Amino acid sequence: QKEVEQDPGPLSVPEGAIVSLNCTYSNSAFQYFMWYRQYSRKGPELLMYTYSSGNKEDGRFTAQVDKSSKYISLFIRDSQPSDSATYLCAMSGPTGNQFYFGTGTSLTVIP
Amino acid sequence: DVKVTQSSRYLVKRTGEKVFLECVQDMDHENMFWYRQDPGLGLRLIYFSYDVKMKEKGDIPEGYSVSREKKERFSLILESASTNQTSMYLCASSFLGGAYEQYFGPGTRLTVT
Repeated sequence: QKEVEQDPGPLSVPEGAIVSLNCTYSNSAFQYFMWYRQYSRKGPELLMYTYSSGNKEDGRFTAQVDKSSKYISLFIRDSQPSDSATYLCAMSGPTGNQFYFGTGTSLTVIP
Repeated sequence: DVKVTQSSRYLVKRTGEKVFLECVQDMDHENMFWYRQDPGLGLRLIYFSYDVKMKEKGDIPEGYSVSREKKERFSLILESASTNQTSMYLCASSFLGGAYEQYFGPGTRLTVT
């Protein structure tokens, strides 16, 4: 079983839609939960991170962590064409070499 | 602005060659990481370093070694390149204790023929 599972998509939505991206994980020791965005031919860039359970909001982006279900989500409100990218979830445990990425979900926002 | 640079965007090498991938960061970060990214497999950690001359194996260290002689520079070495090491290689850095906030370079697309 993979440490982190993420639906690869692709996901295609009209501009202005609410987008929901999700990951599940198996290791209950994970403490930090991150979302990265990767544009084509670029390295990933950190969007936001959450420590333990709960919600975190940053502008149009909201990250949710449910540790009891081992499930994390990223919501994008009022999606824009510039949000078209691959979104990667990532998780880390208490030691530096416990760091796992999902395979990424490809998102296209159609004008 | 954090800057992580990698020595090449594209590299083509032959089987059996020794390959060096260089990464430099300008934010005085203690942690540096090497990943490879493959379709359907995502990013997988090869090695990371939390200090000069210190290193820890990640998930897939076989066939790779690393060197960190200076804080700002982290090198990935393929001792004898093989075709299954054809991949996108990404370097990242973070401050100590902040591995959740990694800054990535643009990547090196390595092709081994």
